[in-house]
Formats: sequence, C-alpha cells, structure tokens
Amino acid sequence: DTAVSQTPKYLVTQMGNDKSIKCEQNLGHDTMYWYKQDSKKFLKIMFSYNNKELIINETVPNRFSPKSPDKAHLNLHINSLELGDSAVYFCASSGGGYGLTEQFFGPGTRLTVL
Amino acid sequence: QKEVEQDPGPLSVPEGAIVSLNCTYSNSAFQYFMWYRQYSRKGPELLMYTYSSGNKEDGRFTAQVDKSSKYISLFIRDSQPSDSATYLCAMGSGGGADGLTFGKGTHLIIQP
Repeated sequence: DTAVSQTPKYLVTQMGNDKSIKCEQNLGHDTMYWYKQDSKKFLKIMFSYNNKELIINETVPNRFSPKSPDKAHLNLHINSLELGDSAVYFCASSGGGYGLTEQFFGPGTRLTVL
Repeated sequence: QKEVEQDPGPLSVPEGAIVSLNCTYSNSAFQYFMWYRQYSRKGPELLMYTYSSGNKEDGRFTAQVDKSSKYISLFIRDSQPSDSATYLCAMGSGGGADGLTFGKGTHLIIQP
C-alpha cells in the first residue's frame, strides 16, 4: 500500500489556467510538505502543514495556495499558471513533533505549462 | 554561497567499487542529516538519517557526519548497477515542521 500518493502523475496545461494537485498519506503523520524540483533537479521546500496549520511558507508566489482538509491530505492549488511553474512537485510527510524526523516523499507530479 | 554544496557529477565507477559522495554546508543550525536516492522520474527515497556526528551504517551504506567541518559523506560498498541514481543530501535545523534543505544531487553511474 502506497505511503504517500499524489494525483495526477502528469499534468499538461495552458498558461493562465488554474490547476490542483492532490496528496494523501496513510502513515499517520502530523506534518505534510510541498517541494518543487526544477529542471536542474534542485529540490526546494514550498510549504509545510502541521495538523492542518501552515507552518512555513517560503518565498512562493501567492498564486500557489496549499489546502489541507485533514491531516492525511494536503492539496496544492495553482492559479494563473505561468511557464516558469513547469517543474515536478513532490508531496512529503513526516511524524513531526519535537526534533526533525524523516520525511517520506510521494512519486511526484510533473507539471508542464505550455 | 549556497547553504548546501554538492558536486552534481556525473560520477562513474566500476561495479564493486566503493563510492564516496559528499556535501558541505554553511548553516551551523543544521542538526539533522539525510541521504536520499532518486531514480529517474521517481520520488526521493530515504536511505540514511542521522542527527549526530560520527558514522551510521546500514547494510552497504555508511553515513558520516562531521559537524565541526560542516561535512557529510555517504559511502556505498560493493556498488551495484542498481545503485545508479541521483543521490541527494538533505539537512534540517530541527523543529517539528521544518522543511529540508537539499543539495543539488550527485548523479552516480555504476558500470557493469
């Protein structure tokens, strides 16, 4: 059974559209994250949610909005897509709590903006 | 200066060789160190996790952390063609919901 899953796996869309990516974890973790991996394979944190509250929000355009309906799900909604948003987006989860615990990643969503 | 430096490679070695992968970092607040393996078009897979200076061994993998030098290493013994992947170092400063800071990854090729 998949620990961290994401849908869709591939997403091709036009500039200006709005799209969402969904993430679910069945590990019982308290904290979920969104990372962006650019064309040079550099992986960078975007958001973190702990018990449905946004904990960190790195310098990400406000066109990106994470939403967590419950602690097992963290969705990423992107408005007015731009060419530069093309990347692979990874969801991750960790047990949270005191001290940093291991983060487990999903398979990624490859977003292509045309 | 980037927070985490990692040579992107590619690093090509023959099967059976010992592989050494390294990262340096500048942020003294980093307390937790991880190594991830990423195959092409897949998500990062956690290999090793440590929070103290010294060595940690798991099968063919050994992670080494030297906080005084701000230097971490991953050694792979008896390397196999299936070890060919990109290896990412990652680190965090603690706190339950901290995001990780990643190196750019080293592309490793094990030649049969």
